Amino acid sequence: GAVVSQHPSWVICKSGTSVKIECRSLDFQATTMFWYRQFPKQSLMLMATSNEGSKATYEQGVEKDKFLINHASLTLSTLTVTSAHPEDSSFYICSARELGQGHGYTFGSGTRLTVV
Amino acid sequence: DAKTTQPTSMDCAEGRAANLPCNHSTISGNEYVYWYRQIHSQGPQYIIHGLKNNETNEMASLIITEDRKSSTLILPHATLRDTAVYYCIVSYRDDKIIFGKGTRLHILP
Repeated sequence: GAVVSQHPSWVICKSGTSVKIECRSLDFQATTMFWYRQFPKQSLMLMATSNEGSKATYEQGVEKDKFLINHASLTLSTLTVTSAHPEDSSFYICSARELGQGHGYTFGSGTRLTVV
Repeated sequence: DAKTTQPTSMDCAEGRAANLPCNHSTISGNEYVYWYRQIHSQGPQYIIHGLKNNETNEMASLIITEDRKSSTLILPHATLRDTAVYYCIVSYRDDKIIFGKGTRLHILP
């Protein structure tokens, strides 16, 4: 079945630095990928829709200058958390599906970001 | 706004069938019912979907009422590994997924 690989699985960074998270569709092409974040004991919150070759669409309340999304190829989307602060510590998850094929989205295994 | 209503949590004995209900009274004609689950500290996993008819796959069965205002996910023989948060989601096929709070299912040994 479809596989979405997310890297790294966890990362610790210092406050003020930037962190890049990669999301790859391994065996299919994804023109659209989605980025979520999840705080402890809460549900997933959609942050943005990543569109291959064009700008991402951000959900209301998500700072696009802080969470930079790049979808430069049909199999790779990246999320960069810029100038990270402790409140950005969270579980970040991506998802994708080959458009027009089947139903249901495949999710990555998530990246746990801790900002110290 | 949440399109679905699910119980916050449920318990089920290991080996028994787990029946997870979901209300979606405002579902539109072309919207599907999707079920996902999230095991602790992992990404969500697609389980099953349906439009009008009942569906079954290797993981679960989905029963949708005739008026489509509610559905039930059935895990026929629950195991400890089925302990997870289960999300019922209503959406069009290619729409983004908006997660509600889901049902936390505890499988009891």
